[in-house]
Amino acid sequence: DGGITQSPKYLFRKEGQNVTLSCEQNLNHDAMYWYRQDPGQGLRLIYYSQIVNDFQKGDIAEGYSVSREKKESFPLTVTSAQKNPTAFYLCASRRQGLGETQYFGPGTRLLVL
Amino acid sequence: GENVEQHPSTLSVQEGDSAVIKCTYSDSASNYFPWYKQELGKGPQLIIDIRSNVGEKKDQRIAVTLNKTAKHFSLHITETQPEDSAVYFCAATPISNNNDMRFGAGTRLTVKP
Repeated sequence: DGGITQSPKYLFRKEGQNVTLSCEQNLNHDAMYWYRQDPGQGLRLIYYSQIVNDFQKGDIAEGYSVSREKKESFPLTVTSAQKNPTAFYLCASRRQGLGETQYFGPGTRLLVL
Repeated sequence: GENVEQHPSTLSVQEGDSAVIKCTYSDSASNYFPWYKQELGKGPQLIIDIRSNVGEKKDQRIAVTLNKTAKHFSLHITETQPEDSAVYFCAATPISNNNDMRFGAGTRLTVKP
């Protein structure tokens, strides 16, 4: 099956802890994205990457970090600097090129203990 | 930057009726407008999209209309069914930079049997 997978489905974070959310795609897409979704709000961009070993900050990058060592993988780390991490996190990817659509993974819900 | 507003935030219709969701955008450079459907606990799924060189696009019971002059676009669902119940998001992005997709806050559609 081709698609985008995110793991885990649920993740619990303790005070002061860093946690990493996984995103993998086998669609051979060049660009990958991380969004944060809060209740009653639209999606907000955290980070994106257009090619391996390169990534750019989105609107709400503070308290988050990413890496792009492989084309198919774009993990997101929620650091202890992110004071309000409880949210639904969505990974997306798309082919390079004008007008190409973003496709989303199933999401990871992060909760703070 | 782009700002997308979406109305209504909630919409309840009787099965078989039509549903209309409207979005406005602020950046005249935006020329790609996708619509996503998000079911509870899942990632958004693309259901239809439209580009600015087209005024209307239809796919079975779903249609999208675009008015570039007024900077608004709408999703129309006819003959609604209970499985259409979900949260719908509109988005706008300039084709020249698909990394800058802006989302509306979402519409929760409930179709009552």
